[in-house]
Amino acid sequence: GAVVSQHPSWVICKSGTSVKIECRSLDFQATTMFWYRQFPKQSLMLMATSNEGSKATYEQGVEKDKFLINHASLTLSTLTVTSAHPEDSSFYICSAPRIAGGVADTQYFGPGTRLTVL
Amino acid sequence: RKEVEQDPGPFNVPEGATVAFNCTYSNSASQSFFWYRQDCRKEPKLLMSVYSSGNEDGRFTAQLNRASQYISLLIRDSKLSDSATYLCVVRGAGKSTFGDGTTLTVKP
Repeated sequence: GAVVSQHPSWVICKSGTSVKIECRSLDFQATTMFWYRQFPKQSLMLMATSNEGSKATYEQGVEKDKFLINHASLTLSTLTVTSAHPEDSSFYICSAPRIAGGVADTQYFGPGTRLTVL
Repeated sequence: RKEVEQDPGPFNVPEGATVAFNCTYSNSASQSFFWYRQDCRKEPKLLMSVYSSGNEDGRFTAQLNRASQYISLLIRDSKLSDSATYLCVVRGAGKSTFGDGTTLTVKP
């Protein structure tokens, strides 16, 4: 069964609105979660690393004021796309590594959120 | 140069064929290696980890060559259900880097 959930699975919004996407680890705690974005026919691009209890780490070229990340608890990270524009339309996927024996085990992915900005 | 590069594809093969994908990585400090499978409009799912000694899971065989910095995936007796995009993933320093993926289509 799924070990990482995302909500919503898809969203359509008007340009200028903000969209919040939730990522939850279901049966394990994740001090770190990753947010990716994937455009059609392209690979996953890491946007940021979400850290529980501290600020997220953003990849080069990703605007932190536009993509707000909050890792509120050990099982929840949220990504808010602020003032979304059509070019932000994409497939957003979160992932969380499950730690076993002090070493990152498997990286589990959420089912993704398909964002369409009109 | 990209950190992780994969065969460009697409690969179109008949059922029962054997197909191999290669992936090269540039960071010699990379620590772990994986193959993921991604179906259209879905999230990636772990297919198998890749070890230096090579590992096999049914029809799938993965190998790692650290000296040459490449990993491979071999699929034998391919099935229609193997049609997907296969992503090479290299992890190091707490971060995973994905290749662009190789698309496989298995035809009857």
